[in-house]
Amino acid sequence: SQTIHQWPATLVQPVGSPLSLECTVEGTSNPNLYWYRQAAGRGLQLLFYSVGIGQISSEVPQNLSASRPQDRQFILSSKKLLLSDSGFYLCAWTALTSGRDQETQYFGPGTRLLVL
Amino acid sequence: GESVGLHLPTLSVQEGDNSIINCAYSNSASDYFIWYKQESGKGPQFIIDIRSNMDKRQGQRVTVLLNKTVKHLSLQIAATQPGDSAVYFCAENRVQGAQKLVFGQGTRLTINP
Repeated sequence: SQTIHQWPATLVQPVGSPLSLECTVEGTSNPNLYWYRQAAGRGLQLLFYSVGIGQISSEVPQNLSASRPQDRQFILSSKKLLLSDSGFYLCAWTALTSGRDQETQYFGPGTRLLVL
Repeated sequence: GESVGLHLPTLSVQEGDNSIINCAYSNSASDYFIWYKQESGKGPQFIIDIRSNMDKRQGQRVTVLLNKTVKHLSLQIAATQPGDSAVYFCAENRVQGAQKLVFGQGTRLTINP
């Protein structure tokens, strides 16, 4: 079965410090991968998605970047964190089946980031 | 459009009652819809999905209804239990091949004992 991992689970970082959040998927190959941010009590905002190694699409201009160095690894980074980067970061994956372009996204457990 | 900045609407029901959570979508070309449940501090969990060639789909204690005429989606939960307390999100696939879901703002469901 497929599983998705995120770490760390929680993180407290000072303003201006760098960030690296990691997401890995097991039990599938060539997944689409997604990074979302969720502010407290709010909906989900898509930040980045990737359809393959080295392929990153950015959805909103921001202080963050994403990379996909391996097929099942997705990394969210920042060189200098801002207060507004605080939130709950969720990674998700979906597996494309040939001939179908509608697939459920499955979410990881999330990383709660607090920037002080 | 996405409502990531809005406070969540809330719904309170008595334990054992049925609940209905509604979602309106804007793109008549959307052809795939999903309901997610998110408990506090956790990632969203898939509940049920429906494709646009259907108007109803049932799962265990849950039913999703799709009304394409008015672009409305609903999630019915039968005989609610305390464990049903969570935030429920609808999501739609708006663009074929884009593999991006657009999420609704979410509804916070509270089950009262």
